[in-house]
Amino acid sequence: GQSLEQPSEVTAVEGAIVQINCTYQTSGFYGLSWYQQHDGGAPTFLSYNALDGLEETGRFSSFLSRSDSYGYLLLQELQMKDSASYFCAVSIYQKVTFGIGTKLQVIP
Amino acid sequence: GAVVSQHPSWVICKSGTSVKIECRSLDFQATTMFWYRQFPKQSLMLMATSNEGSKATYEQGVEKDKFLINHASLTLSTLTVTSAHPEDSSFYICSARVWGQGSTDTQYFGPGTRLTVL
Repeated sequence: GQSLEQPSEVTAVEGAIVQINCTYQTSGFYGLSWYQQHDGGAPTFLSYNALDGLEETGRFSSFLSRSDSYGYLLLQELQMKDSASYFCAVSIYQKVTFGIGTKLQVIP
Repeated sequence: GAVVSQHPSWVICKSGTSVKIECRSLDFQATTMFWYRQFPKQSLMLMATSNEGSKATYEQGVEKDKFLINHASLTLSTLTVTSAHPEDSSFYICSARVWGQGSTDTQYFGPGTRLTVL
């Protein structure tokens, strides 16, 4: 089976940088994804890493180390609207498994 | 980006009735769709994988006779909750899986359906 670990909650100040870590155990690993979900809404895709290294998309970056079974999501220049839950997810051929989610609270 | 619609967005029904939820990919074809269930403040729990033209693959612990999934076309998958009971009340979300450029694995989620069974 698959298992993922990520912190349940993180608090950061507006304008700062925050990193959300994710470690995983799985077989048949294809890649690691990150999704954002605001309260009451559906998840939206943020990024996908299939290879080691950093992927940057605007204020968001995602990193993967396959040898360490580890990845992180980096959010820069935090805004109040970034307050949401962030899920890492591992892709295998048949399906995608989500972590428990990290609730990010951005404070003024 | 790709858009997935889900209907209805919310539904209230009496215990013992059946509810059908539709998931459509609006501007692309989706060979694979997923159905998730999410309880408040919890993660997405995969219920089943729906592949067009074949039987759905259910996760362990999900009753296939209770949660009927049909993926009759490349743009439509349906989930029917049969003989619903209050414990089935939850947020049901579908997604369409797309393998993009550079082998990017992306899921586009529908807006979700909030089911309340009285």
